[in-house]
Amino acid sequence: SQQGEEDPQALSIQEGENATMNCSYKTSINNLQWYRQNSGRGLVHLILIRSNEREKHSGRLRVTLDTSKKSSSLLITASRAADTASYFCATDSGGSYIPTFGRGTSLIVHP
Amino acid sequence: ETGVTQSPTHLIKTRGQQVTLRCSSQSGHNTVSWYQQALGQGPQFIFQYYREEENGRGNFPPRFSGLQFPNYSSELNVNALELDDSALYLCASSSWDSQETQYFGPGTRLLVL
Repeated sequence: SQQGEEDPQALSIQEGENATMNCSYKTSINNLQWYRQNSGRGLVHLILIRSNEREKHSGRLRVTLDTSKKSSSLLITASRAADTASYFCATDSGGSYIPTFGRGTSLIVHP
Repeated sequence: ETGVTQSPTHLIKTRGQQVTLRCSSQSGHNTVSWYQQALGQGPQFIFQYYREEENGRGNFPPRFSGLQFPNYSSELNVNALELDDSALYLCASSSWDSQETQYFGPGTRLLVL
């Protein structure tokens, strides 16, 4: 079963624009993570945000977490064609650190 | 590059056959997890190994089994293959002390005909 659900399912933008993806989840979490996957290959860990944090930055990435709304957003600023990939959120909860993934957002950045 | 390697990269099997997939974890990592990712879906947790023992299992039948070796590498075995087993199989390694961050290999794409 999926814990997190990303929105939108697909996003198409021009290079230089910002891309925003959202993730909603159902139960209280310990951590929320965002991963990137290029063309059905392995997942690359982007950023982890803990349940007591509200915002984190890493380079062109900004992640926010709203535990009251059980949602998170990933913002990629000044997007590049190389950012074209699928983006997944993953949450872990309770005593388990096993991440549960959503279905992902497919991002296409046109040069 | 995460340092996690998987073999083979692609595999074609027929229904009813058995398959073994292999994973070498990143140096310093003692925990290995396996995931199944069907086309258009997110990865689904199969099981996790720590100190050569299964440490958690997702909603997969017993014909999915695994091993972890003293060097922390791991195998995923699937018996009696079904068409729905066609998927990308991902291995991820982590350290027990920092399990929440996992490092994924490139995956093995399995096609069952």
